[in-house]
Amino acid sequence: RKEVEQDPGPFNVPEGATVAFNCTYSNSASQSFFWYRQDCRKEPKLLMSVYSSGNEDGRFTAQLNRASQYISLLIRDSKLSDSATYLCAVNMDRGYNKLIFGAGTRLAVHP
Amino acid sequence: EPEVTQTPSHQVTQMGQEVILRCVPISNHLYFYWYRQILGQKVEFLVSFYNNEISEKSEIFDDQFSVERPDGSNFTLKIRSTKLEDSAMYFCASSEMGTQNIQYFGAGTRLSVL
Repeated sequence: RKEVEQDPGPFNVPEGATVAFNCTYSNSASQSFFWYRQDCRKEPKLLMSVYSSGNEDGRFTAQLNRASQYISLLIRDSKLSDSATYLCAVNMDRGYNKLIFGAGTRLAVHP
Repeated sequence: EPEVTQTPSHQVTQMGQEVILRCVPISNHLYFYWYRQILGQKVEFLVSFYNNEISEKSEIFDDQFSVERPDGSNFTLKIRSTKLEDSAMYFCASSEMGTQNIQYFGAGTRLSVL
């Protein structure tokens, strides 16, 4: 089983749609969880950290389910500018160690 | 907003040559990282660096790779003898203590080995 797994997509949605991505992780000892956004050939940009209680930032909501070992990202009212690849990243340790990335889920928002 | 800067943005080299990729992490950050992303593949961890030493490295980071913090601001990745398969985007990242390991990435250096 891969350490961090994501559905590669693409998810093709119209503007205004709500879309959700999941990401599963294999190590139950994982400590920190993040969603990054990556545009074509650009660097990963932090979208949000994911906390046990769930967190929301505008149109974006992230959830963590430790029992089932997955995190989710919900995007409401999709904009054309949301088109990108969304990377799930997991840190396995309490220290300042490596992030393990999923391969990413591609989102394409069309008019 | 503070950012991680990387130079050059694109490096072309011949197989067997040495390359040095440069990074200036965010100024108050203490933890530094290199990742790479081969075209069409996922972002992969190479090495982490703290307190002037490597804290962790991946299987990819073999004897051909080295990292250095030559002064108070730069963080470099050296590949001693490049191979074709080293062609990739190389991202530098940094994080600050006490922030749940949020890592901020530079824009990357695209390394093309011919």
